[in-house]
Amino acid sequence: EVQLVESGGGLVQPGGSLRLSCAASGFTFSSYWMSWVRQAPGKGLEWVANIKEDGSEKNYVDSVKGRFTISRDNAKTSLYLQMNSLRVEDTAVYYCELYSSGSDFWGQGTLVTVSS
Amino acid sequence: QSVLTQPPSASGTPGQRVTISCSGSSSNIGSNYVYWYQQVPGTAPKLLIYRNNQRPSGVPDRFSGSKSGTSASLAISGLRSDDEADYYCAAWDDSLSGRVFGGGTKLTVL
Repeated sequence: EVQLVESGGGLVQPGGSLRLSCAASGFTFSSYWMSWVRQAPGKGLEWVANIKEDGSEKNYVDSVKGRFTISRDNAKTSLYLQMNSLRVEDTAVYYCELYSSGSDFWGQGTLVTVSS
Repeated sequence: QSVLTQPPSASGTPGQRVTISCSGSSSNIGSNYVYWYQQVPGTAPKLLIYRNNQRPSGVPDRFSGSKSGTSASLAISGLRSDDEADYYCAAWDDSLSGRVFGGGTKLTVL
């Protein structure tokens, strides 16, 4: 059974940093692209970033470029999102997502609140 | 302002057929697959349609997707009360080198 469990969310001041983690199990983690998707309170879904199987290719939404870094550790079957220079508008539930050929799995999400 | 445009709301009565539209451009819907997600508030999204019109295992055939040019649609037939949720379209955007979502459509079953 595929499981994705996010952690690392919390309350942080504007300008601060957080590192989100997503522990994956139940599939061959090193064989799949992985993504982060976020949802601000009461708002729609926003794709944040994705990363290739071996970490050699990464893509980001414009609003986080230069501030967020997606990474993975295939040995630990974990996905990460390092978030720096956080802004109030980064407040959201952050989900990690696995998609492959019609199968789609999401974690339960972790809430990041950026507020002074 | 989302890159993909959806109506903010839709409604229907039980048993009816409802369609939700998603409008994009040549760099996203016009050149890439469209995906549809269902999200009940407070839960993670669920994939309903992939590659324009394919249903994942377990999704009832009451849900169907179509695409024409730079627009796509999700149709739900035999509407049920538990179809009440938010629906999102998504596609890869070649110009942005990223995935884009529609703003979401809140479906109400009257």
